[in-house]
Amino acid sequence: IAGITQAPTSQILAAGRRMTLRCTQDMRHNAMYWYRQDLGLGLRLIHYSNTAGTTGKGEVPDGYSVSRANTDDFPLTLASAVPSQTSVYFCASSDSDGGPGANVLTFGAGSRLTVL
Amino acid sequence: GQNIDQPTEMTATEGAIVQINCTYQTSGFNGLFWYQQHAGEAPTFLSYNVLDGLEEKGRFSSFLSRSKGYSYLLLKELQMKDSASYLCAVKDSNYQLIWGAGTKLIIKP
Repeated sequence: IAGITQAPTSQILAAGRRMTLRCTQDMRHNAMYWYRQDLGLGLRLIHYSNTAGTTGKGEVPDGYSVSRANTDDFPLTLASAVPSQTSVYFCASSDSDGGPGANVLTFGAGSRLTVL
Repeated sequence: GQNIDQPTEMTATEGAIVQINCTYQTSGFNGLFWYQQHAGEAPTFLSYNVLDGLEEKGRFSSFLSRSKGYSYLLLKELQMKDSASYLCAVKDSNYQLIWGAGTKLIIKP
């Protein structure tokens, strides 16, 4: 089934630990995104990649890093987790070229992360 | 700053019609999207408007007025499965999506 796979589904993590959230898509979409979703707030963009080999910072990039070595994979790393990074993380992809147009996002099922 | 406003929560009755409003103030405009998100699940695409007017897709319709910075999502013949959050998002001048906090729609029998 075509789509986006995220792992892990949920994780409890001690503050200060390093964590990588995995994201893989099989739709050959150019663009990929990482969002966090917190109660009462809209989805906030952490990092994005318009094409393999390039990445960019979103609205809330501090404390997070990404890489885009190939089209399919877009892992998100928390170098040293803090409690404020407790959130639900969604990976998404689209066939966007980073420009205008109706580039619909396809989302993964989400990763629920709790930092204690 | 950029801002998307939606009501936090709405309640409607099964079989009825409900209108969910979204107002926006963004730096530029390159389209408005509506997504549906069931509790504990991923958002899924519902509609896209870039020109003024009404777009109809089955029981769901979406309206846009660019001059007023306003959109609404109209859901007809409500079903229990329509209980979900509805997210409004605007693509700004940098082609980035700005998201509203979402409207939680509760359907009662």
